[in-house]
Amino acid sequence: DAKTTQPNSMESNEEEPVHLPCNHSTISGTDYIHWYRQLPSQGPEYVIHGLTSNVNNRMASLAIAEDRKSSTLILHRATLRDAAVYYCILRAYRGSGTYKYIFGTGTRLKVLA
Amino acid sequence: DGGITQSPKYLFRKEGQNVTLSCEQNLNHDAMYWYRQDPGQGLRLIYYSQIVNDFQKGDIAEGYSVSREKKESFPLTVTSAQKNPTAFYLCASRRGDAGSTEAFFGQGTRLTVV
Repeated sequence: DAKTTQPNSMESNEEEPVHLPCNHSTISGTDYIHWYRQLPSQGPEYVIHGLTSNVNNRMASLAIAEDRKSSTLILHRATLRDAAVYYCILRAYRGSGTYKYIFGTGTRLKVLA
Repeated sequence: DGGITQSPKYLFRKEGQNVTLSCEQNLNHDAMYWYRQDPGQGLRLIYYSQIVNDFQKGDIAEGYSVSREKKESFPLTVTSAQKNPTAFYLCASRRGDAGSTEAFFGQGTRLTVV
């Protein structure tokens, strides 16, 4: 399986943009790039996903490198509620309509007031 | 409201006992997943099921068993063969078709074996 690599932790000031990087150099052509975040003692929640093109939604933006070997999650204005562990995940097709989500170790984002 | 529910939130068991964790969803999702989360590590896939009466081993299936007799339910049994069962367990589900991408996670069960 392909894998993702993320920094263990990052800090940001409140109201400033945050760029969370992810390397996935062994990604295959059919793997989607997903981002989830997890608050303490909760299950992960979906943030955004993409395949090749950059994506925007109300929560964040996803910038995908042209060779797809890396991506960056962008939070445009960090708030204290954005403090969480952010996971860069590959959704991999395993045949027969089966998909696996491959998690990395995540980045713990700390937002400073 | 539709959702995915894990119970209980906290579970304590004695070493050597089997224990079953519940996962129920009313989202009409075909696919369901079980993950284990340990400090400093990402989520690791234990088992997954694409359809009723079918499931596949994930990356760390040893010491675990599952069943998928109903679409809504995907219970996980942690057996006495699991060497380090104390962990946070997460269940997830998603629609089975290729177009769906978002997985929904439960709140997790923290299992402590003493």
